[in-house]
Amino acid sequence: TQLLEQSPQFLSIQEGENLTVYCNSSSVFSSLQWYRQEPGEGPVLLVTVVTGGEVKKLKRLTFQFGDARKDSSLHITAAQPGDTGLYLCAGEHGSSNTGKLIFGQGTTLQVKP
Amino acid sequence: DTAVSQTPKYLVTQMGNDKSIKCEQNLGHDTMYWYKQDSKKFLKIMFSYNNKELIINETVPNRFSPKSPDKAHLNLHINSLELGDSAVYFCASRRLAGSSETQYFGPGTRLLVL
Repeated sequence: TQLLEQSPQFLSIQEGENLTVYCNSSSVFSSLQWYRQEPGEGPVLLVTVVTGGEVKKLKRLTFQFGDARKDSSLHITAAQPGDTGLYLCAGEHGSSNTGKLIFGQGTTLQVKP
Repeated sequence: DTAVSQTPKYLVTQMGNDKSIKCEQNLGHDTMYWYKQDSKKFLKIMFSYNNKELIINETVPNRFSPKSPDKAHLNLHINSLELGDSAVYFCASRRLAGSSETQYFGPGTRLLVL
């Protein structure tokens, strides 16, 4: 079974702090996606990384794909209460022609004002 | 306009009943998915259809039967509901050609089996 280990599972921080969420696997992925899910809604894609070593920035969010394409990280700078939510990483294998995504366990982030 | 819609949003039912959840997408995608999100927020793929053909069938009890009448619709029928079926079920769609295409998720159906 291909697994994506996501950590930490829960994170409660004060507004203005920085944080990093990690997603690790022993498998190589052709792409890795990060989603954010608000309560009562479905996950919404934040970013897709496809190249080993790739770094993408989305305002205060920085996403990195590991050189070997087995791991990824999400770094948030100066977190704000609006960043509160469930963050999910999901990997897709190149050998899959079905678009099947393997999800991590998720990180529940709470940013307190 | 809603891209991926699901009905109903909430479903409360008794053990042993049969129920259906419906999904529709207006994005012109050729592939649709059903996911189950458990109480710990873990999201797991169940089924996928590409152009009305089943392409993913994970280890799911055969009480669950998906049906895709056309590319824009994917329904999920569940027979003899059990307590453990309580979860949030998400539908998603994407264009399959090429890797790293975006999957768009519906708002979810919250199923509670009593």
